Amino acid sequence: EAGVAQSPRYKIIEKRQSVAFWCNPISGHATLYWYQQILGQGPKLLIQFQNNGVVDDSQLPKDRFSAERLKGVDSTLKIQPAKLEDSAVYLCASSRGGSYGYTFGSGTRLTVV
Amino acid sequence: GESVGLHLPTLSVQEGDNSIINCAYSNSASDYFIWYKQESGKGPQFIIDIRSNMDKRQGQRVTVLLNKTVKHLSLQIAATQPGDSAVYFCAENPYQTGANNLFFGTGTRLTVIP
Repeated sequence: EAGVAQSPRYKIIEKRQSVAFWCNPISGHATLYWYQQILGQGPKLLIQFQNNGVVDDSQLPKDRFSAERLKGVDSTLKIQPAKLEDSAVYLCASSRGGSYGYTFGSGTRLTVV
Repeated sequence: GESVGLHLPTLSVQEGDNSIINCAYSNSASDYFIWYKQESGKGPQFIIDIRSNMDKRQGQRVTVLLNKTVKHLSLQIAATQPGDSAVYFCAENPYQTGANNLFFGTGTRLTVIP
């Protein structure tokens, strides 16, 4: 099966600019996650979707981050305005749901200068 | 090239030796654990998982051991190969039902010396 697709692979922006990332999960996977991975750390959950509904966004900095999964398939994550500390790899993952492990995409590496 | 995890705990092993990577988890209610391998520039890749009703699970060249008493998890890699060089993360699911969010540890960088 095809993996989790993410784009772009790399993005460099100036602080206070906006940026958007896109994710297409594995076909049939109802659950979609966005994780932030800062250099030297493990991934940290930002938001979890079940189909097109939000299950958990308690760790999402809602003053600047937003995410949507309108049709329950692909998803976008937006940052507006970006800060220097947002520099990280943004990983998308999907799963069939329940207590199953995830499949991760390759991520988008964001550098804010 | 890219560097992931400049300040991670590190483990260096000789090719052909066995590797043991350790992880302490935080939530005694966690019932599901996964080991992931992350190569530079890639997302984490599933290696092996274990549920809390088990102490040991074996895969191909890998074994995961779970000690719930001390909240400790380990990954053993037999006959380590250069392709095993990567950062290894343990992850726990602290929820017994419902949401299956995973919480990741800091990671360990494994370097295999040819």
